[in-house]
Amino acid sequence: QKEVEQDPGPLSVPEGAIVSLNCTYSNSAFQYFMWYRQYSRKGPELLMYTYSSGNKEDGRFTAQVDKSSKYISLFIRDSQPSDSATYLCAMSDQGGSEKLVFGKGTKLTVNP
Amino acid sequence: ETGVTQSPTHLIKTRGQQVTLRCSSQSGHNTVSWYQQALGQGPQFIFQYYREEENGRGNFPPRFSGLQFPNYSSELNVNALELDDSALYLCATQGRGSGANVLTFGAGSRLTVL
Repeated sequence: QKEVEQDPGPLSVPEGAIVSLNCTYSNSAFQYFMWYRQYSRKGPELLMYTYSSGNKEDGRFTAQVDKSSKYISLFIRDSQPSDSATYLCAMSDQGGSEKLVFGKGTKLTVNP
Repeated sequence: ETGVTQSPTHLIKTRGQQVTLRCSSQSGHNTVSWYQQALGQGPQFIFQYYREEENGRGNFPPRFSGLQFPNYSSELNVNALELDDSALYLCATQGRGSGANVLTFGAGSRLTVL
């Protein structure tokens, strides 16, 4: 079993839809959870950062972490064509480390 | 612009050759990490450098090595290239004013091994 599982999609939605992306993980030591967005031919850019369990909202984006189920989610409200990208979940067990464990990424297309 | 610059952007090598990839950051952070992203996969941690010393390594063989310089620029060297080394190589450093886990990535160097 991989440490982090993420459905690679692809996922295609109409503009304005609510998008739900998620990852499961097996390592209970993970405490730091991130979502990165990666456009084609670019490096990943940080979208959301969460420590431990709970919800975090930033504009149209909401990140949820459920440590008891080892499950994290990213919701995108009012999706836009510019949201079309690959979304990567990432997590870490150490606050001082740059070692992140990534999921495979979910490729999202938002159709106008 | 992320403030993390990588070069070259693309390169093609043949099996058995050696390659050096370069990274520089405007942030001046004293840590840098390197990741390998194969096609259709998430990035995989190769290693991290802190104050010019390797400070953590992922599941990569010794033919992957690195250097960090006093100006915090960095190099990734890969010897005896194999076909499976074909990937996007990403350099990352801490984002400005953020924790160690919050990384800013460069655009990457895409390596093709024939």
